[in-house]
Formats: sequence, C-alpha cells, structure tokens
Amino acid sequence: QSALTQPASVSGSPGQSITISCTGTGGDVGGYNYVSWYQQHPGKAPKLMIYDVSDRPSGVSNRFSGSKSGNTASLTISGLQAEDEADYYCYSYTSISTWVFGGGTKLTVL
Amino acid sequence: QVQLQESGPGLVKPSETLSLTCTVSGGSMSPYFWSWIRQPPGKGLEWIGYVYSSGSTNYSPSLKSRVTISVDTSKNQFSLRLISVTAADTAVYYCARFILMSGAFDMWGQGTRVTVSS
Repeated sequence: QSALTQPASVSGSPGQSITISCTGTGGDVGGYNYVSWYQQHPGKAPKLMIYDVSDRPSGVSNRFSGSKSGNTASLTISGLQAEDEADYYCYSYTSISTWVFGGGTKLTVL
Repeated sequence: QVQLQESGPGLVKPSETLSLTCTVSGGSMSPYFWSWIRQPPGKGLEWIGYVYSSGSTNYSPSLKSRVTISVDTSKNQFSLRLISVTAADTAVYYCARFILMSGAFDMWGQGTRVTVSS
C-alpha cells in the first residue's frame, strides 16, 4: 500500500494562493470522497483542516479549501499568511478497506 | 472538550514489544473509532490502525502481522501493542479519534516519542 503522492515542497508569498496536490489512483482518492487534509507545525500534533474532500471543520479559516478531480485531490490556501507555514498531509480511504496518508508537503511562506 | 493523552515507555529494545496507552478524557469513547498514527523522525505520517468502541479493528496491511489495538471503555483507554520491534519502529506515536463517516481524525493526542535501541 503506497503513500499518496504529494509534492515535497511548495512556496508562496504572503497574500498569494497556493495549491497542494495529492495524487492517488481509482482505488483510493479517485474512488471515494473520503479525503482529508492535515496541517502540522514543527513539534506539534496534526490538525484537521478539510474532510470529505471539501468540508471545513468549525474554526478552520475559510482561506482553506479542498477539491478533487479524477485521482487527484487538492488543498488550496488563499491569502497566504506566515502562520500557514507548516507541513500538510492528505489522507484517503482505499479499496482494500484501509486508509493511507500522503507523503507530506512542506509549505514555505516567503 | 475531548482530550487524548498517550503514555508508555520511551525506550524499547529491539525484538521486544512496544506498548502504549491512550487515555481519553472529557467525553465518551462510544460510538467512536480510536486510532494510532506514527511519524518516524523527519518523515511523514503513517496510519497504524483503529479500534471501534465495540472492539472491532482495522490495521494497516504493512503492520497487520505485528500490531494489536484494543479498547477498554470502562477505563476510557485504548492501547497499541507492536511486537518484534526494530529501529524502523522508532517514531512519535499519536493517538487520535477517527470519525468514520467523514474519514477524518478530529482529535489528536500530543504524541509520544518511542525509540527502539539496545
């Protein structure tokens, strides 16, 4: 069971928008709407940012949004802020009834 | 507010068994799923598995032969047992509440570091 594919790093300037991709197959990301996204600051536990592909938990800024096209899910952060600098992970259900994380993406705010 | 706290030895010898407990406070364990996730130093997150409050389980295929997750709702705790550990099992271990209908972890413990070394 391979990890979902994410870019190792992305960067953007304050105020800009960035998108992090999460690519799987029809047996995971493409086949189900159980995709969630997590933000992790150094030394901290991950925090849920998006679930069910595009839903936001209460308390998460509306600058964070999720979407999916085919076998690729995406997390978009608009109006980038310094505090958004963190690692981001996607997570998905799979066709063998298990679950898998993406490899993670380091977001740098320039 | 539900809180989760991991506990257990920080050092385990190779070939021995890693045992961790997660204590849930501020809420009921039913009817939720409770999960373990780990993160090796400098690497990404890895799903280990989960247990439902009734005791049914689901494990990562890569760890299934070595892992057991159990729950004791009377103590508001669930546990991880990983046998025959090697240095590759060195990681920060997180416990988390898993909402199956959303496929997401909505509550996390702070994590506990476990090193496998003689």
